[in-house]
Amino acid sequence: QKEVEQNSGPLSVPEGAIASLNCTYSDRGSQSFFWYRQYSGKSPELIMSIYSNGDKEDGRFTAQLNKASQYVSLLIRDSQPSDSATYLCALRFGNEKLTFGTGTRLTIIP
Amino acid sequence: NAGVMQNPRHLVRRRGQEARLRCSPMKGHSHVYWYRQLPEEGLKFMVYLQKENIIDESGMPKERFSAEFPKEGPSILRIQQVVRGDSAAYFCASSPQRPSGPTDTQYFGPGTRLTVL
Repeated sequence: QKEVEQNSGPLSVPEGAIASLNCTYSDRGSQSFFWYRQYSGKSPELIMSIYSNGDKEDGRFTAQLNKASQYVSLLIRDSQPSDSATYLCALRFGNEKLTFGTGTRLTIIP
Repeated sequence: NAGVMQNPRHLVRRRGQEARLRCSPMKGHSHVYWYRQLPEEGLKFMVYLQKENIIDESGMPKERFSAEFPKEGPSILRIQQVVRGDSAAYFCASSPQRPSGPTDTQYFGPGTRLTVL
């Protein structure tokens, strides 16, 4: 059974601090990894994608992938209140569909 | 700049009725995916379609649910004889082609929120 696990939170982080979101997965065949942000009542919005081991940076966001340890993380630097949302980790296991975790609810405290 | 379009955005049905959810992919996209999100849960894959062809329906419930993507017109997700447990947000996503690269991604529509009374 392919699984994606995330800490459901809620995770509270002071404004300006670094928010760290983690995701582990069980299938070593996973090829591509995605972080989506979802505001309450809205659709998922792609934040980052990563498929190679290491770090990938885009503005305040950094995705980290460690295939040997089977985890992927998302760091948000200089957290802003507008970053408060649910963050969904998603994997593609070599076919076309995305498999999602249950999401981590992040709250940035002003 | 038309993204993925879904309608209706909100749908209320009584138990036993039929629900039809429509999805128009982004311009130039020929692949459609349907996902369901139950309250306080993540998204669960339901079905993946190409024009006139179902590629993967491994996430579809065995009964009452069907999907199509005709040559002309939107993709339709049909739920017959709805029950309260069908209440959820149904999201459609599209991609331009079968993923050929590791970061080929899917673009999500705004969703249809189905409420079964």
